Amino acid sequence: GAGVSQSPRYKVAKRGQDVALRCDPISGHVSLFWYQQALGQGPEFLTYFQNEAQLDKSGLPSDRFFAERPEGSVSTLKIQRTQQEDSAVYLCASSYPSGGGIDTQYFGPGTRLTVL
Amino acid sequence: QKEVEQNSGPLSVPEGAIASLNCTYSDRVSQSFFWYRQYSGKSPELIMSIYSNGDKEDGRFTAQLNKASQYVSLLIRDSQPSDSATYLCAVGFQKLVFGTGTRLLVSP
Repeated sequence: GAGVSQSPRYKVAKRGQDVALRCDPISGHVSLFWYQQALGQGPEFLTYFQNEAQLDKSGLPSDRFFAERPEGSVSTLKIQRTQQEDSAVYLCASSYPSGGGIDTQYFGPGTRLTVL
Repeated sequence: QKEVEQNSGPLSVPEGAIASLNCTYSDRVSQSFFWYRQYSGKSPELIMSIYSNGDKEDGRFTAQLNKASQYVSLLIRDSQPSDSATYLCAVGFQKLVFGTGTRLLVSP
């Protein structure tokens, strides 16, 4: 079936603009994750949903970052008043609880955000 | 000290050789460990997962876990040029903590 999809794939924003990044998880996947990957670094956890419930938002860097998943499927990561340090690739991943301990996270292609 | 540490490389090996990638982690209660491969400009792709001490083999890949020493490694046998990528070690259950990755170069 289809994998995780993200849109847009590329986004250029002027400093101070608001942006919204969309993630469509694999159909039926209960868990959804957002990560931020700066150039030359590994992905860093931002937030995690199980269905529509946001269970962990400890990685959101500031209150300018907000994520939602109102119907338990599509998720949107919103960044208000973008700053240059927000420039990164934003990765979305989804997983289905296997009940066996290890839930594989499948990553989407990412959205590359450049803030000028 | 970073939670998950990897040598950034590059690790250069000739085609057909064994590539050995290492990772150490700081959280002793970690239970799940993953190796992802990431080609330049692409998203991470899961290669192996392991949660018990010892070895786990899948084709040319073997993951090794030693919880007492807090390290996990990935061996790639018969390395191919197509294996050239960055290999990310990740630790955690839901919230994954990634290392910075090791860049592997396999020369023909």
